[in-house]
Amino acid sequence: NAGVTQTPKFQVLKTGQSMTLQCAQDMNHNSMYWYRQDPGMGLRLIYYSASEGTTDKGEVPNGYNVSRLNKREFSLRLESAAPSQTSVYFCASNNQETQYFGPGTRLLVL
Amino acid sequence: EDQVTQSPEALRLQEGESSSLNCSYTVSGLRGLFWYRQDPGKGPEFLFTLYSAGEEKEKERLKATLTKKESFLHITAPKPEDSATYLCASKGGGGNKLTFGTGTQLKVEL
Repeated sequence: NAGVTQTPKFQVLKTGQSMTLQCAQDMNHNSMYWYRQDPGMGLRLIYYSASEGTTDKGEVPNGYNVSRLNKREFSLRLESAAPSQTSVYFCASNNQETQYFGPGTRLLVL
Repeated sequence: EDQVTQSPEALRLQEGESSSLNCSYTVSGLRGLFWYRQDPGKGPEFLFTLYSAGEEKEKERLKATLTKKESFLHITAPKPEDSATYLCASKGGGGNKLTFGTGTQLKVEL
């Protein structure tokens, strides 16, 4: 039981490049989330998916898109990366009570 | 809008020196108050959920308590391995979205 997994662990992009962050969970959870974490800002919700086939914006959705591919997988796409998107990105999934987090993807946009 | 404020931002303790971390929250219809531990370079790890004022939960040297406006994470006789950032989050209203505080960075020294 791997829990929540994320790939890649670290990525460097140039401004304007695109990339997709992958997330998968093996806990049969319905809800999945994408957060970004920046120094002094705490964890901020980018997008979430309450169930397979649905997605909704969180607090900071601009510049991102998501896809809930199936119940297990929830991807985050940066279409045209900007230096302001340099951050650590966490995926999480939720059973009825608790959110469980992945190990994170560290993204540097130059 | 839900708000969570944690204090202090950083705390340095000597091994065995007990202390408390504070989490103040403003949320409409609290449906859970969560504590997480985050080690450097890793994702948040779930510790506790509290649901109603007066509730307490314990795990090893940690005890979490909840009032109508605050939660405290008490650390008794801490050890260096308790060094981490401790995050507090609230869940209110509908759905499973969490609002996070910015965390307390704890360092326990020999």
